[in-house]
Amino acid sequence: GNSVTQMEGPVTLSEEAFLTINCTYTATGYPSLFWYVQYPGEGLQLLLKATKADDKGSNKGFEATYRKETTSFHLEKGSVQVSDSAVYFCALRTTDSWGKLQFGAGTQVVVTP
Amino acid sequence: ETGVTQTPRHLVMGMTNKKSLKCEQHLGHNAMYWYKQSAKKPLELMFVYSLEERVENNSVPSRFSPECPNSSHLFLHLHTLQPEDSALYLCASSRGGDLRTDTQYFGPGTRLTVL
Repeated sequence: GNSVTQMEGPVTLSEEAFLTINCTYTATGYPSLFWYVQYPGEGLQLLLKATKADDKGSNKGFEATYRKETTSFHLEKGSVQVSDSAVYFCALRTTDSWGKLQFGAGTQVVVTP
Repeated sequence: ETGVTQTPRHLVMGMTNKKSLKCEQHLGHNAMYWYKQSAKKPLELMFVYSLEERVENNSVPSRFSPECPNSSHLFLHLHTLQPEDSALYLCASSRGGDLRTDTQYFGPGTRLTVL
């Protein structure tokens, strides 16, 4: 079956620090990969996505590259802000099960001033 | 603002009550989804509708009953719930088509508490 593994949080860092959140996956078939972000008290927002190997998704200073050889989709940001404090979810989608989004457990990020 | 709205945002109900959650999408999408987000558990897909037809029921208890009267609206009817059903219920929509690359857009969720 499909699964997504994310690093456990919370991840606490200072403003302007470099952020990396690791994500690896197992999938039958060829998945598309997504990062979603959930701010406190809100639903999930799509942050970025990649649909084929070596694609790089980017948005709001965040980047992630689809690495098929290592089955990874790590999220990075060069300089975080307090407003980036949120829970980040890695997810994949294949054509199994009517294209169900398979989510990781989520990683909470706390950025302090 | 993602173009997907959910009401109510918060709901408290007793185990014998009947209530409904509503989702509306303004994106012209053809597929809609219900997810459950519980504390300390990954997001769980509950139901999928494509062009108003249910295409996925992920082993959800019958006390949850979805309804999709048209492609813009999705309901989740609740009855005889248990305290362990307390969770954040998220609605999502997507264009449909290529299942692998189709992107889902989420609403803000309804925080449900069952007493």
